Amino acid sequence: EIVMTQSPATLSVSPGETATLSCRANQRVKNHLAWYQQKPGQAPRLLIYGASTRATGIPARFSGSGSGTEFTLTISSLQSEDFAIYYCQQYDNWPPLTFGGGTKVEI
Amino acid sequence: EVQLLESGGGMVQPGGSLRLSCAASGFTFSAFAMNWVRQAPGKGLEWVAGITGSGGSSYYADSVKGRFTISRDSSKNTVHLQMNSLRAGDTARYYCAKDRTQQWLYYFDSWGQGTLVTVSS
Repeated sequence: EIVMTQSPATLSVSPGETATLSCRANQRVKNHLAWYQQKPGQAPRLLIYGASTRATGIPARFSGSGSGTEFTLTISSLQSEDFAIYYCQQYDNWPPLTFGGGTKVEI
Repeated sequence: EVQLLESGGGMVQPGGSLRLSCAASGFTFSAFAMNWVRQAPGKGLEWVAGITGSGGSSYYADSVKGRFTISRDSSKNTVHLQMNSLRAGDTARYYCAKDRTQQWLYYFDSWGQGTLVTVSS
């Protein structure tokens, strides 16, 4: 099973700043990495797939990078609606599909 | 517009059974694999099971293998999760999630709002 580790667990930022979230896999997953956003009381929403491709309707301030074992989600010019929990998920080697533990982005 | 509507959750005693359903609309159902993902209260996301678009292959997390069964009914555009021998650790919100491909399990481009399963005596 591929273990995904996200850091930090909580990230405190101010609106307008840039948030950088990390995700690490314990085995290489190529670019088979997705990012999701989850707000309180809501289902997760796909942000990024293929490590760097934005899903339909996702603003350009969200960007993903990385390959192999190290990945980054960058949120530029944070807006109030961006405060949420973010999860990474690998789909290179399954079953199981595995998620990271999440990073909470808070004010 | 893709819509996924889960149903069937509720409270059940340890050792009991539940059958979750997910009614899908807005896309060609047989063209996409479908998954169940759960989230225990205050915790992260855990993939539970997936089934290919044809229904010919299904996959499970070790934590549920042998107890849960995923299936799909293309005539009703519905995916099911039969959950047997339920444990307290199965308490979670269960999300139905549409996969990006037909024959493989990749990532989830649409999610339902989830249905809550509580296992307690």
